[in-house]
Amino acid sequence: QQQVKQSPQSLIVQKGGISIINCAYENTAFDYFPWYQQFPGKGPALLIAIRPDVSEKKEGRFTISFNKSAKQFSLHIMDSQPGDSATYFCAAGTDSWGKFQFGAGTQVVVTP
Amino acid sequence: DTAVSQTPKYLVTQMGNDKSIKCEQNLGHDTMYWYKQDSKKFLKIMFSYNNKELIINETVPNRFSPKSPDKAHLNLHINSLELGDSAVYFCASSQVREGYNEQFFGPGTRLTVL
Repeated sequence: QQQVKQSPQSLIVQKGGISIINCAYENTAFDYFPWYQQFPGKGPALLIAIRPDVSEKKEGRFTISFNKSAKQFSLHIMDSQPGDSATYFCAAGTDSWGKFQFGAGTQVVVTP
Repeated sequence: DTAVSQTPKYLVTQMGNDKSIKCEQNLGHDTMYWYKQDSKKFLKIMFSYNNKELIINETVPNRFSPKSPDKAHLNLHINSLELGDSAVYFCASSQVREGYNEQFFGPGTRLTVL
């Protein structure tokens, strides 16, 4: 049973555009929501994370929006660059031991 | 280089064999993990150790046995390999930074069972 649902499966965006990836979770006990970026042949790398006590967190061109009542959160990549082409995973869990449920991943392709 | 390293990077073997994957981190972290990423890129946690103690043990066949000789190493031994074990296996370690659990992943080991 997949506790974190991620969409879309893939998206293509032009350079300079905005990439938006959405995730929904079921378990209200989750209190930590990280996003990971994975390039081909590499391990995932933490990109940005949020806790449910804030509705938005921004780091550079990457922003997480969080809606606790809807149990949804999203990643916005502003001014998308070709170097952002990667697979993005959302995750959710309780932070105690880092046990996260991952979404299925979104492959983002940024065209020049 | 400070990092999470895994060996081997590629592993091709026959069904029924036993194989091990080694993981080492020199980041000084107390917690280490094993993840499995299937052909559809779905990532699933398998095990986690904190200071050599098993703390997360997901529903994984008992053919998979993790071993942590010290807190910098977490190895994965797999007995009687099956076709369905083919996947990329990632080791990770974590620290808590600014209140967030940050996991650092290794480069992965691509296991192919023929």
